[in-house]
Amino acid sequence: GAGVSQSPRYKVAKRGQDVALRCDPISGHVSLFWYQQALGQGPEFLTYFQNEAQLDKSGLPSDRFFAERPEGSVSTLKIQRTQQEDSAVYLCASSPMPGKNTEAFFGQGTRLTVV
Amino acid sequence: GENVEQHPSTLSVQEGDSAVIKCTYSDSASNYFPWYKQELGKGPQLIIDIRSNVGEKKDQRIAVTLNKTAKHFSLHITETQPEDSAVYFCAASEWNNNDMRFGAGTRLTVKP
Repeated sequence: GAGVSQSPRYKVAKRGQDVALRCDPISGHVSLFWYQQALGQGPEFLTYFQNEAQLDKSGLPSDRFFAERPEGSVSTLKIQRTQQEDSAVYLCASSPMPGKNTEAFFGQGTRLTVV
Repeated sequence: GENVEQHPSTLSVQEGDSAVIKCTYSDSASNYFPWYKQELGKGPQLIIDIRSNVGEKKDQRIAVTLNKTAKHFSLHITETQPEDSAVYFCAASEWNNNDMRFGAGTRLTVKP
């Protein structure tokens, strides 16, 4: 496709369950970002990949959050032992430029609800 | 770290009027200021951005101004149309910094 694709669009998880969220960036884009967006708030940075290297994970809220991009294209954000405060929209963005968040294109997001 | 504040949180205007959204930032090292439009159920879409080496940038009905001394920047939409209705986010970061900080958003409603 032409844009950033995320799946699933919606995910309901029981508290304590593990979840995996997928991001397909625009083909050829070097940079990939994950953001968390709580209801009524702006996106908050979670982590950044340049190709397959995770160069910045300073925004991950706890060690229950893990992200990977093993082949430098598709990325997965995994949340272990989900808690209610993890409920949010998780946004993925990609950019053709390395090391910079300019010209980032966002996906539609995955809305995670933990019950 | 950077802290971005945005206001108003909601803004309602009549079609054809202008809309102005303002943001302030705290980190004097920030030099890149994008604005995003987010429609319901969609991801944010970049609509305009400005770097710190200019004070104003315009693209058709949309303009952004930057005051580095006061650390604030504003989005101006003229001749508003109903399809401009959305949530608008400002953001700030250093040009080569991965961590871009967003404001809390402004819900703009344009009444026909």
